[in-house]
Amino acid sequence: GENVEQHPSTLSVQEGDSAVIKCTYSDSASNYFPWYKQELGKRPQLIIDIRSNVGEKKDQRIAVTLNKTAKHFSLHITETQPEDSAVYFCAASPGTASKLTFGTGTRLQVTL
Amino acid sequence: DVKVTQSSRYLVKRTGEKVFLECVQDMDHENMFWYRQDPGLGLRLIYFSYDVKMKEKGDIPEGYSVSREKKERFSLILESASTNQTSMYLCASSLVQGANTGELFFGEGSRLTVL
Repeated sequence: GENVEQHPSTLSVQEGDSAVIKCTYSDSASNYFPWYKQELGKRPQLIIDIRSNVGEKKDQRIAVTLNKTAKHFSLHITETQPEDSAVYFCAASPGTASKLTFGTGTRLQVTL
Repeated sequence: DVKVTQSSRYLVKRTGEKVFLECVQDMDHENMFWYRQDPGLGLRLIYFSYDVKMKEKGDIPEGYSVSREKKERFSLILESASTNQTSMYLCASSLVQGANTGELFFGEGSRLTVL
């Protein structure tokens, strides 16, 4: 089955700096790569996703890049703000089923 | 707004007890999932269901079973709870979008402690 590795496990940045979280996956059949954000005490929520037919997708301050050859994808957050502090999970799916395999999570702390 | 409701936010059970975790979604989603969340291990899939009375094992099904008698309700059952099942349990649902994977909508979670 699919295996998703996520790094780093914790990340601390100053407000206004950029943050990058990286994931690798093992199943070359995976073609859907979402990112979920989980604030403290709350449920995970989808913030951005990318399908394998594109290499990059942006939504305001967040972007995701995908390198299918190397089987890795990354989340980029620019101009970080305190409200970006949360745990971020990457995931991968073969797309023909809805089953998602998640990474182990990255705790992002944005300090003032 | 999609609403996924888990009936119990916090439960404390004893080893060997049978435990039911209930999940209801109100958006007519075909797919429903049970994940457990543990620090450093992320979200791991226990079971999922594509339709009423359909179920498939996820990555860690041992010690668990599920029931889906109605489309909106997906139950997770621990036949004989053990201390290593102490965890946060998250239910989720998603819409079928042809061949594409849909967005997961999560419940608020059920924190189970087994003593």
